[in-house]
Amino acid sequence: GDSVTQMEGPVTLSEEAFLTINCTYTATGYPSLFWYVQYPGEGLQLLLKATKADDKGSNKGFEATYRKETTSFHLEKGSVQVSDSAVYFCALNLQGGSEKLVFGKGMKLTVNP
Amino acid sequence: EPEVTQTPSHQVTQMGQEVILRCVPISNHLYFYWYRQILGQKVEFLVSFYNNEISEKSEIFDDQFSVERPDGSNFTLKIRSTKLEDSAMYFCAASSGQHTGELFFGEGSRLTVL
Repeated sequence: GDSVTQMEGPVTLSEEAFLTINCTYTATGYPSLFWYVQYPGEGLQLLLKATKADDKGSNKGFEATYRKETTSFHLEKGSVQVSDSAVYFCALNLQGGSEKLVFGKGMKLTVNP
Repeated sequence: EPEVTQTPSHQVTQMGQEVILRCVPISNHLYFYWYRQILGQKVEFLVSFYNNEISEKSEIFDDQFSVERPDGSNFTLKIRSTKLEDSAMYFCAASSGQHTGELFFGEGSRLTVL
C-alpha cells in the first residue's frame, strides 16, 4: 500500500545549522507530496507542497523537491532558527483518488541558540 | 483565531466507557476529517466527512466509532466502548476543497484509556 518513510529523530541542532529531513514514499499512483509542521501546543499546519515530478515547494526558508526517480521529497533549510523547533511530518495524497493523507511518523527538531 | 478548535485537550477514561471528542472548524470549511496518532507511530487516517455523511473511512474506523455534525458547527467523534489500544492523540482536520491535501488541523485531543 501507499506509505511514507521519514527520518525519525529526535534531532537537535544549533542555530544557523543546515537541516535535511529525509522522506521517501511508496505509492501506486501519482501522489501529491506535503510537509506539515506542528509547533508546540498547536495543530499540524501545511508547510509546503509539490504536486508533480521536479516541482519544488518552498515556504519560510524551507524547500523540498519532488524526485520521482528516487521517490523522495527531502526537506531542507540552509540556516535553522530557534523558532523552527517543531515536529515535521512528510505526507502524500493520491491525486484524483482517496481524500486521505498518508503520513510518516514525524520528526522532532529542537534548535538551540 | 485557529481554523479548527478541539476539545477536550486531554481525556482520561476507563476501558469500556464512551468518549466523545469535539471539533469546531471555521464556517467556510466543507470537508472534515479525523486522524489519530498512537504514541511513537504514524498519524493515521480514520474518516472523512462531507455533506453530512461519511465519504471515506479506514479499516481502523470500525463499528465502535461514529461521527456526526448535528448542528452544522460541532463535528464529533464518538468511541462507543473504549479499548486500551484506543489511547492516542486524535486530530480533527478540515478543508475547503476536495483532494487538495491542504488541511487545517486542530491541536489534538489526547485520549488515555485505563
